[in-house]
Amino acid sequence: AQTVTQSQPEMSVQEAETVTLSCTYDTSESDYYLFWYKQPPSRQMILVIRQEAYKQQNATENRFSVNFQKAAKSFSLKISDSQLGDAAMYFCAYRPRGSGTYKYIFGTGTRLKVLA
Amino acid sequence: DTEVTQTPKHLVMGMTNKKSLKCEQHMGHRAMYWYKQKAKKPPELMFVYSYEKLSINESVPSRFSPECPNSSLLNLHLHALQPEDSALYLCASSQDPGRGVYPQHFGDGTRLSIL
Repeated sequence: AQTVTQSQPEMSVQEAETVTLSCTYDTSESDYYLFWYKQPPSRQMILVIRQEAYKQQNATENRFSVNFQKAAKSFSLKISDSQLGDAAMYFCAYRPRGSGTYKYIFGTGTRLKVLA
Repeated sequence: DTEVTQTPKHLVMGMTNKKSLKCEQHMGHRAMYWYKQKAKKPPELMFVYSYEKLSINESVPSRFSPECPNSSLLNLHLHALQPEDSALYLCASSQDPGRGVYPQHFGDGTRLSIL
């Protein structure tokens, strides 16, 4: 069975500093997609960044970047220049590639606090 | 801006009531999802509709009844719910996942409380 593990239930970072959230996953598939979602107290889940497993280059979206290590099945999220608005629950998610693969597997989440 | 619209935002109902949650998207997405989320937990998948047909039912109790009247609308009919069903119910939509790395787009959710 495919699983996603986020080993850090809570993290804190000082405003303007950098923080890394960890995510590991277990799968026997060779082709899949990985996502990081952010859920602020306002409740809406918002896509932060996505990665295709067959692409070796790490995805980057402005202050957000990932360190994708396929062999280690690791997909960490780095947030640079942290801002107060980054405070939220962050969920790592996995989905196999292929038609009919609608099920996303979510990790348990990491609550990020940003300190002023 | 939320591209997936859920109504109502809050719902309080008794265990004998019948109510419905509504979800709407106009992005042309052909996959729509219902999730249940408890506080500080990840979303739990309940149902998936693909091209208006139910493709996944995660062994959800029959007191939850999904409906997809057309490609833009998704309903969740509720009847005889239990207190443990109190949660945030999230709707999401996506392009056909089989065609690429399309993420899900989520609504703001409906906060449901069962008295």
